[in-house]
Amino acid sequence: EAQVTQNPRYLITVTGKKLTVTCSQNMNHEYMSWYRQDPGLGLRQIYYSMNVEVTDKGDVPEGYKVSRKEKRNFPLILESPSPNQTSLYFCASSLTGGTQYFGPGTRLTVL
Amino acid sequence: AQKVTQAQTEISVVEKEDVTLDCVYETRDTTYYLFWYKQPPSGELVFLIRRNSFDEQNEISGRYSWNFQKSTSSFNFTITASQVVDSAVYFCALSEADPGYSGGGADGLTFGKGTHLIIQP
Repeated sequence: EAQVTQNPRYLITVTGKKLTVTCSQNMNHEYMSWYRQDPGLGLRQIYYSMNVEVTDKGDVPEGYKVSRKEKRNFPLILESPSPNQTSLYFCASSLTGGTQYFGPGTRLTVL
Repeated sequence: AQKVTQAQTEISVVEKEDVTLDCVYETRDTTYYLFWYKQPPSGELVFLIRRNSFDEQNEISGRYSWNFQKSTSSFNFTITASQVVDSAVYFCALSEADPGYSGGGADGLTFGKGTHLIIQP
């Protein structure tokens, strides 16, 4: 089944404790992206990647890192999480020029 | 800069009524893509439709229809004979085409803030 998977789906952590949210797609898509969703703000792009080893900042990249060592994986790294990063995170992938398909979401709470 | 406005924060209708969700966009590009996504209470984002800026034909898919009007920069979504299962948050989104890629649309999506649709039985 063609899909985008994210892990974990739910995470509660404390300020400053490094964490990684994994994202994987099995559709051989070149483009992958991370968004965060906050009440009243909709979804905003954090980082995106056009292909392996090519990443770039989206609208709200501060406090996040990403890497794209393999085509199928695009992990989101929070080196020192803070409470303002409490949010619902979505990973998405697409063929270049295609429609983005989203993972199931990761609900992160930073205490 | 591109912008998507969904002025209706929340709409509540009774089942079987028709309902239209409004979407107004701003972009300087002549080539762009418009999308609608559905987010049911379970939280996932479900793709509904993609429309490119050169195709102003309206589209119908079952009870769903979309009206794209470049003259008013709008891409409205109508649900006919609404059902309780249509209750969700609906997002309109815009992607500006990257001229370096054939087909474009590989840039990030700019989302509206969403319309929460409540269908009451």
